Amino acid sequence: KAGVTQTPRYLIKTRGQQVTLSCSPISGHRSVSWYQQTPGQGLQFLFEYFSETQRNKGNFPGRFSGRQFSNSRSEMNVSTLELGDSALYLCASSPGQWQGYTFGSGTRLTVV
Amino acid sequence: QQQVKQSPQSLIVQKGGISIINCAYENTAFDYFPWYQQFPGKGPALLIAIRPDVSEKKEGRFTISFNKSAKQFSLHIMDSQPGDSATYFCAARARSGAGNMLTFGGGTRLMVKP
Repeated sequence: KAGVTQTPRYLIKTRGQQVTLSCSPISGHRSVSWYQQTPGQGLQFLFEYFSETQRNKGNFPGRFSGRQFSNSRSEMNVSTLELGDSALYLCASSPGQWQGYTFGSGTRLTVV
Repeated sequence: QQQVKQSPQSLIVQKGGISIINCAYENTAFDYFPWYQQFPGKGPALLIAIRPDVSEKKEGRFTISFNKSAKQFSLHIMDSQPGDSATYFCAARARSGAGNMLTFGGGTRLMVKP
């Protein structure tokens, strides 16, 4: 069974640009969540999607957005990038009934 | 109230020893407490998890001890091996609306010396 796949693995962007990250959950998993991991703030919850609907959002500015498609694949978008957005962005999927998360390997975003 | 506090930040243990990592929480609405292991360049991987109606759970060399009244839980790694060298995160789940959200501790960097 394939795990959670995140693309791209690495990304370098310039301040002010926007970026889109992609996540393919484990087959059959309907819930996708996104987390930001930084050395200073640790792992912080961004948002959760289930059946194409955002059902939960963390304390991040509106520059951070996401969506989920009918096949459960998800994307997150960060607009007007700031240096502080440099982080490892992790996607996690779970079945509809809570059984814990399976994380992907993440996308390492560097903003210069 | 959403915080999960984890200690120590780093830990060095000799091969064969016991590694102990502690976490404390405040929010009594948390109802699921997982531990994750993360290697460099990888995402966190679920090690073991416990629900608050259980005081201890063991899976192989990994044991969670849970003290509901003290709002504390800990991970014990028995017979620690160099391959266990990684960063460990405790976490706690809260239901938020119709969804779920994990709050993570700050992490413990474990080094097991051969």
